[in-house]
Amino acid sequence: DVKVTQSSRYLVKRTGEKVFLECVQDMDHENMFWYRQDPGLGLRLIYFSYDVKMKEKGDIPEGYSVSREKKERFSLILESASTNQTSMYLCASSLSVRGSYNEQFFGPGTRLTVL
Amino acid sequence: SQQGEEDPQALSIQEGENATMNCSYKTSINNLQWYRQNSGRGLVHLILIRSNEREKHSGRLRVTLDTSKKSSSLLITASRAADTASYFCATDTGANSKLTFGKGITLSVRP
Repeated sequence: DVKVTQSSRYLVKRTGEKVFLECVQDMDHENMFWYRQDPGLGLRLIYFSYDVKMKEKGDIPEGYSVSREKKERFSLILESASTNQTSMYLCASSLSVRGSYNEQFFGPGTRLTVL
Repeated sequence: SQQGEEDPQALSIQEGENATMNCSYKTSINNLQWYRQNSGRGLVHLILIRSNEREKHSGRLRVTLDTSKKSSSLLITASRAADTASYFCATDTGANSKLTFGKGITLSVRP
């Protein structure tokens, strides 16, 4: 079974802190994604990556950056955390199969609170 | 940008009843997927239907796709309390393996 793990289930940070959210997958997937989930807004894509050192902006990249130095690891960085970044953050991965079957596998999520 | 829109937003049924959830989308797709999320957890893939398919079954799940109406429905038959969760549809337009998720439907199954 594919396993996607996230470094923390719950995280509390202060405004202005630099925050790192780590995601690791163990199935050699090429694609990795970071979403945030807020009540009434569903899942919104922040950044995604198709390969090591590759990154693409999603729908809401402002205030975030990412790093993918190894294929299995995709990090989300909040350079200076703000209260409006309080949210549930979900990481996902998928195989690079164009146009046919690209099921995404999700981690358990990190609930981040910024005070 | 939201592609899939689920309907209804919330559904409450008795155990043993069937649950039907709908999803509408705006642009052409390669496939449409349904996911389940238990409270406070990550999403789990349930079923995928390709654009050239009209119906698909998996256990107690039945999904249909009408590309002319740009809509899909997920039917859960003989529901159980354990089916209580949020359900999301996600569309794949074939652009870069991205999926676009709807806002989700909250299903409550009363014992």
